[in-house]
Amino acid sequence: DTEVTQTPKHLVMGMTNKKSLKCEQHMGHRAMYWYKQKAKKPPELMFVYSYEKLSINESVPSRFSPECPNSSLLNLHLHALQPEDSALYLCASSLPGASDLYGYTFGSGTRLTVV
Amino acid sequence: KQEVTQIPAALSVPEGENLVLNCSFTDSAIYNLQWFRQDPGKGLTSLLLIQSSQREQTSGRLNASLDKSSGRSTLYIAASQPGDSATYLCAVRGNNDMRFGAGTRLTVKP
Repeated sequence: DTEVTQTPKHLVMGMTNKKSLKCEQHMGHRAMYWYKQKAKKPPELMFVYSYEKLSINESVPSRFSPECPNSSLLNLHLHALQPEDSALYLCASSLPGASDLYGYTFGSGTRLTVV
Repeated sequence: KQEVTQIPAALSVPEGENLVLNCSFTDSAIYNLQWFRQDPGKGLTSLLLIQSSQREQTSGRLNASLDKSSGRSTLYIAASQPGDSATYLCAVRGNNDMRFGAGTRLTVKP
C-alpha cells in the first residue's frame, strides 16, 4: 500500500459545528503532516507529528486540534471555524528526517467549506 | 526560515516544446528536494525526488537537477503535451518539515 487516504473528500460545515478530518497510511511512515492550501497558493504547514508526538505547530489557531492515535492515523478536529478557514486540507506522510529516502506522499485532500 | 521561490509563476507553450522550470531556496542544509504536480482542486502527485547528495534524477520526459551549494533546482520537461498542463510545485525538505514554492502554472496548447 503506497497511498495516503483522506476522508471525507468534501465537507461543508457551519461555524458552530464540530467535525473531524481523517488521514490514514499503511506505509510504515512515522512522520505525518497537515497542510492547508488556499486557492492558487502553495500548501502551508500546520502540524507535524513524529513518532506519534506533536513536534511542530505552526501557530495554528486552537479551533484546529490535531490528534495522532497511532502510527497509521492522523486526525484534525475542527470546532467553531470561520469562513476564511475554507480551503483544501492535505495530509502527508514520510519517513522521518535523514531516513527519508522516498519523499513525502500526499493524500488527495479534503475540500472544506465553512458557511 | 527556508524560503523557496519558483520562476516563472506562469508559462504557456505550444505542444512539443521543451521547457525548464526553476526553483531556488535560501538554506542549503536540506535533506532532499521534491517536485510535485497538482491539477486544479486535487492533491499533490510526486514527480521526482532528489536527495541532497545527488545531482539529478530522470523519469520519462522529466529531468530534475539540483545544485545544493547555490540553492537551485530545475525541472526540464521534454516534448511537452497538453496533458502536462498543471501547476508544478518545488518543495525542500529540512529536518522536520517541507517548505513549498508558490508553483509554476503550466499551460501546453495543442
